[in-house]
Order: sequence, then structure tokens, then C-alpha cells
Amino acid sequence: DAGITQSPRHKVTETGTPVTLRCHQTENHRYMYWYRQDPGHGLRLIHYSYGVKDTDKGEVSDGYSVSRSKTEDFLLTLESATSSQTSVYFCAIRPGLPKDTQYFGPGTRLTVL
Amino acid sequence: GDSVTQMEGPVTLSEEAFLTINCTYTATGYPSLFWYVQYPGEGLQLLLKATKADDKGSNKGFEATYRKETTSFHLEKGSVQVSDSAVYFCALRAYRNTGFQKLVFGTGTRLLVSP
Repeated sequence: DAGITQSPRHKVTETGTPVTLRCHQTENHRYMYWYRQDPGHGLRLIHYSYGVKDTDKGEVSDGYSVSRSKTEDFLLTLESATSSQTSVYFCAIRPGLPKDTQYFGPGTRLTVL
Repeated sequence: GDSVTQMEGPVTLSEEAFLTINCTYTATGYPSLFWYVQYPGEGLQLLLKATKADDKGSNKGFEATYRKETTSFHLEKGSVQVSDSAVYFCALRAYRNTGFQKLVFGTGTRLLVSP
């Protein structure tokens, strides 16, 4: 158990509304990631963070922003949700050496109507 | 760019059958390779990994060997159980020019095991 929680676990919203998803970790790991999972695409990287206030874009960052004001929290915001952002969102952390791999949270299922 | 290709699913097997899920990759250099498993309603869990050519990763009866000559990392299990029903993702670890580490995933293969 890597101590990762995501909230909410499920959300239904309407097109044009802002949405914020939260990823919380309990072990102060430096690296955190946001992915989306869609059929036929596997997981694709949205944004990542390598420290407090240090973030960068992934492959599919358009329409998303992130913030990390504390080590333990990494927020993903959809400023104006669209139906194409209906997906399952996963947060991941990477402890660094020697456990230099990624561990995933339980996911948030977001539906944009 | 870096990419991972997995066989299309679903793979449907009877309990105790032999499993192979094919995975091939394209990458510069010598990436580390991973298999993740996702059970229904859950996040991804690391199943096994291999960090260099000819390494064999193994866990819970699953095995995969890093084959540089064929750029493959096929997942195998000698006798599957109903509880192995899940989606399996092959992934490689790649690096950007900045040194940032990222995972590149295949599209996933669903395994269905019937009693």
C-alpha cells in the first residue's frame, strides 16, 4: 500500500463546469503524476510534479491544469469540462531509488454530460 | 518515439490453462520494462519488472523475460486461476531530455478466466 488516496472516487458533472480532482499521499514522495485511462489508449500522462510548485506537462495536457502547494497533495483541475474529458483518472507517485517505480491510486471516474 | 504494443483482447481461458500475453516495444536505449495488473474497480498494481536484457521478472506465478533481440516482454503463467481475471498492461520506462522519467503504456489486454 503506497498510501495514495483520490477524491472524489466518482463524479458526474455538466459541460462547462470546473472540476478539481485531488490526489493525496501520506509518505512525502517527491514525484507525483496524473494519468487518464481510456479504452484503446491505455494510460496517458496529463501532468506531473517533481516537487512543491514544480510541475510540467505530459502528453495530453490541453484543458487541464495542476497545482502542488504541499508535498502531499496534487490537484488536477478541468477549468471547463468537456465530454471528451470523460475518463478514469489515476494519480501515481514515485518513491525514487531503490523503489524507482510508480504506484497508483484507486482512480476517479469522471463523467461529463 | 517510445511505444508499447500489446495483443488485442479479451483473452478467454479456462482455469489451469497456459497464458501468454504478447508485448513488444520500440524505444531508444535500453528501457526498463514492466507489467501492471488492474483488477475490476481498482488502480494499477505493479506485477513484475525487468531492468536489463535477459532479466526475468516474476511474481505470483507470472513471468516475463526481457528480450532485446526481439524487443519483447511477453507475460506468461503456467496455470491461470479465476482470480487472475483482470486487465494487464505492459509498460516501458522512458526518459525525456530533461531527465524526467515517465512510463509509456500499452493499451491493455483483458484476461477472462472461467472455472
